[in-house]
Amino acid sequence: DTEVTQTPKHLVMGMTNKKSLKCEQHMGHRAMYWYKQKAKKPPELMFVYSYEKLSINESVPSRFSPECPNSSLLNLHLHALQPEDSALYLCASSRNSGQGVSYTFGSGTRLTVV
Amino acid sequence: DQQVKQNSPSLSVQEGRISILNCDYTNSMFDYFLWYKKYPAEGPTFLISISSIKDKNEDGRFTVFLNKSAKHLSLHIVPSQPGDSAVYFCAASAQGTYKYIFGTGTRLKVLA
Repeated sequence: DTEVTQTPKHLVMGMTNKKSLKCEQHMGHRAMYWYKQKAKKPPELMFVYSYEKLSINESVPSRFSPECPNSSLLNLHLHALQPEDSALYLCASSRNSGQGVSYTFGSGTRLTVV
Repeated sequence: DQQVKQNSPSLSVQEGRISILNCDYTNSMFDYFLWYKKYPAEGPTFLISISSIKDKNEDGRFTVFLNKSAKHLSLHIVPSQPGDSAVYFCAASAQGTYKYIFGTGTRLKVLA
């Protein structure tokens, strides 16, 4: 298995809703990432997990809450989002979190906040 | 401030010809670079990488060139194929960081 699987592919949520994005990989990668990509912009790093521990939080608002229950799973819990949070959310994994490793990306979850 | 720039948002090339995608960076601490390809409705796919100790890396039809003094890298695709039509992102990271900074992407269209 050489894929990163993200679910759901599309999500529409209201500003008072609570929802979760899910990411799964079975490549034995020990680093996992959440990126946010707005239209015509580059992907921007949100969080890095290394060996199931949060190692980087790029000053992301607390309405985004990551969770790494085990080495294969990464969740992003969403609560009280704003319309400007609408974006493509990409999960990625890599062998480790050191430099010089390439990421494997999932297809993303396209989130619309209404 | 965009540290990694891809100044051409789009590029059209005839099938069989060379595609050259360019990327400029401003941070002299960047020393590892990647190119990713992205099809619609899919996540980015790793294409090729280069470390700053090299000035060229080749993998099949894809070659990446790095000019450290100009802070410029380019991706050459020869020969270009219609299946290469996608958005190409370059990304850079600095020694000791876990973070890749992505460029804004160039949409390549290879015309049959």
